[in-house]
Amino acid sequence: NAGVTQTPKFQVLKTGQSMTLQCAQDMNHNSMYWYRQDPGMGLRLIYYSASEGTTDKGEVPNGYNVSRLNKREFSLRLESAAPSQTSVYFCASSVQRDEKLFFGSGTQLSVL
Amino acid sequence: GESVGLHLPTLSVQEGDNSIINCAYSNSASDYFIWYKQESGKGPQFIIDIRSNMDKRQGQRVTVLLNKTVKHLSLQIAATQPGDSAVYFCAENIWNYGQNFVFGPGTRLSVLP
Repeated sequence: NAGVTQTPKFQVLKTGQSMTLQCAQDMNHNSMYWYRQDPGMGLRLIYYSASEGTTDKGEVPNGYNVSRLNKREFSLRLESAAPSQTSVYFCASSVQRDEKLFFGSGTQLSVL
Repeated sequence: GESVGLHLPTLSVQEGDNSIINCAYSNSASDYFIWYKQESGKGPQFIIDIRSNMDKRQGQRVTVLLNKTVKHLSLQIAATQPGDSAVYFCAENIWNYGQNFVFGPGTRLSVLP
C-alpha cells in the first residue's frame, strides 16, 4: 500500500519562482492537510481540506494556495517563492478531521 | 520533555534499556493525543494514540500514559533497540488557528550500543 505519496522529494527555487507540490492518498480518506516543518519547531498547518470540495486556512497560510482536485489529490502551490518558505513540507490525510494523521515522506524545498 | 526552540531535547539510552519520553500539553480541553516517530529524512509515523477517558494504553513495546491533572503525556518504549533512534513528538487534538492538532517540536532519542 502506497499510503500518502508526495512529489517532488527535493526542489530548489529562486525567489519569485512558482511551483506546485503534489499529494495523493490511496486510503479513501476524507481529510487532507499540508504542513511545514522547520528546525526545532513543531509541524505547522498551512491549509487543510476537511472533505472533498472544501479547503480552509491553517496557522500559516500566507504565500500558499491549495486545490483539492478530487478525494485522492490535494496540491499546494507557491505563487512567488520567498526564502522564508524554505522548509520541509508534509502532506497528510485522515479518515476524518479529528482522527489520526498519516503523513507522506516530505518535500525538502529550498528558496534561494 | 518538549520545549519550543531551535535545539531539540535529547535522550540517550543504552540498547535494551527502557526509554521514557515526556510531553506537556497546553489545553485541559484536549481530548485526544497521538505519539509520532520521525526518522531522519522521513515523514512522521503513527505510534500510538490515547483518548482523555483513558490514562494508559499499551501497544507493542510502547505504552502511553496520560496525566490530565498536570497535563502531561509520556511515551515508554520497552527494551529500546537501535531502530528506535528517531525524533518523537506528541500531538494534542485542539482547535487552534483552524487546525485540529498542535504538535510539539519533539525529543531526539539516541540508542547507544
